Amino acid sequence: EAGVAQSPRYKIIEKRQSVAFWCNPISGHATLYWYQQILGQGPKLLIQFQNNGVVDDSQLPKDRFSAERLKGVDSTLKIQPAKLEDSAVYLCASSLRGNYNSPLHFGNGTRLTVT
Amino acid sequence: GDSVTQMEGPVTLSEEAFLTINCTYTATGYPSLFWYVQYPGEGLQLLLKATKADDKGSNKGFEATYRKETTSFHLEKGSVQVSDSAVYFCALSAPKGDYKLSFGAGTTVTVRA
Repeated sequence: EAGVAQSPRYKIIEKRQSVAFWCNPISGHATLYWYQQILGQGPKLLIQFQNNGVVDDSQLPKDRFSAERLKGVDSTLKIQPAKLEDSAVYLCASSLRGNYNSPLHFGNGTRLTVT
Repeated sequence: GDSVTQMEGPVTLSEEAFLTINCTYTATGYPSLFWYVQYPGEGLQLLLKATKADDKGSNKGFEATYRKETTSFHLEKGSVQVSDSAVYFCALSAPKGDYKLSFGAGTTVTVRA
């Protein structure tokens, strides 16, 4: 099966600019996650979708980050305006059912550098 | 809140050496525990998991046992290969509510030929 697709692979922007990342999960996977992985740290959950509804966005900095999953398939994560501390790898993951018997499948991530 | 603490790296080993990466957790109740691996240039992938106390997860020669009494889930492999060079992440998922993972900081392992 095709894996989780993410684009772009790399992005360099200046602070205060905006940026968007795209994720296409594995076909049929109901649950989609966005994680932020800062260098030297483990991934931190930003937002979780079940189909096209938000399940958990408690860790999402909503003053600058937004995410949507229209039609319950692919998803977009946006940052506006970006700050230096947003430099990280943004990982998208999907899961068939979002329970303990459905492992997460991760994409290769988008590496964001904010200068 | 729920969290995992794993052994700091980096860890450098020779081929065929024994590998242990320590992981301890803090959680309310009995979480599910996981080890994920990230090979160079690739995304994270599930290595093994255990969903209840005394369960042993195993895959690709790696093993980890869910120890409730010590709140630990240490990863072990008896004889590592160069291809095991990667970053290893311990993670947990809370026993109730929505399934989402909390990760440790990761341990970088380099195996030399």
